[in-house]
Amino acid sequence: AQTVTQSQPEMSVQEAETVTLSCTYDTSESDYYLFWYKQPPSRQMILVIRQEAYKQQNATENRFSVNFQKAAKSFSLKISDSQLGDAAMYFCAYRLGGGGADGLTFGKGTHLIIQP
Amino acid sequence: NAGVTQTPKFRILKIGQSMTLQCAQDMNHNYMYWYRQDPGMGLKLIYYSVGAGITDKGEVPNGYNVSRSTTEDFPLRLELAAPSQTSVYFCASRDRVNTEAFFGQGTRLTVV
Repeated sequence: AQTVTQSQPEMSVQEAETVTLSCTYDTSESDYYLFWYKQPPSRQMILVIRQEAYKQQNATENRFSVNFQKAAKSFSLKISDSQLGDAAMYFCAYRLGGGGADGLTFGKGTHLIIQP
Repeated sequence: NAGVTQTPKFRILKIGQSMTLQCAQDMNHNYMYWYRQDPGMGLKLIYYSVGAGITDKGEVPNGYNVSRSTTEDFPLRLELAAPSQTSVYFCASRDRVNTEAFFGQGTRLTVV
């Protein structure tokens, strides 16, 4: 079974600075997807960024970027120019590829605090 | 476009009661999912469906039942509620091609 591990229960960063959230995963598959989801106090699950395992290039979405190290099974999220609205729980998630209906496997999450 | 709609948003149940959590999506997605999120944890998959009439168990299916009679609706049934089922429940959907799953707003369920 696949597992996703987030080793940082909580992180704190000053507004406008950069923070990196860590995620490692375990799988024997070669075709899969990795995601970072944001969950603010409203509880809504918001997709931040996704990475296809077959792509060597790291995904970027505006201030959000990932460092995908396939051999090390590592998938960290970097948030640049942190803003107060970035404060939330962040979940790393894995899904098997191949076109099937497999669901997501989530880590336990990292609580991100933005200091004004 | 409403996306994924869950009802109710909050519910308190007594031990042994039953209830159905409703989930509807208007995006014509084939795949639908139910997850639960316990305090301080990530989401765990309860059941999923690949289309009308087809459902399968996820990681934590005990104590729950699902049905999928239409593409749009995927209700989750709790029989004989137990305190261990106190959680936040999320419904999600996606199509075969798109990698992104769309989530509902969640239902906070407390069993007392």
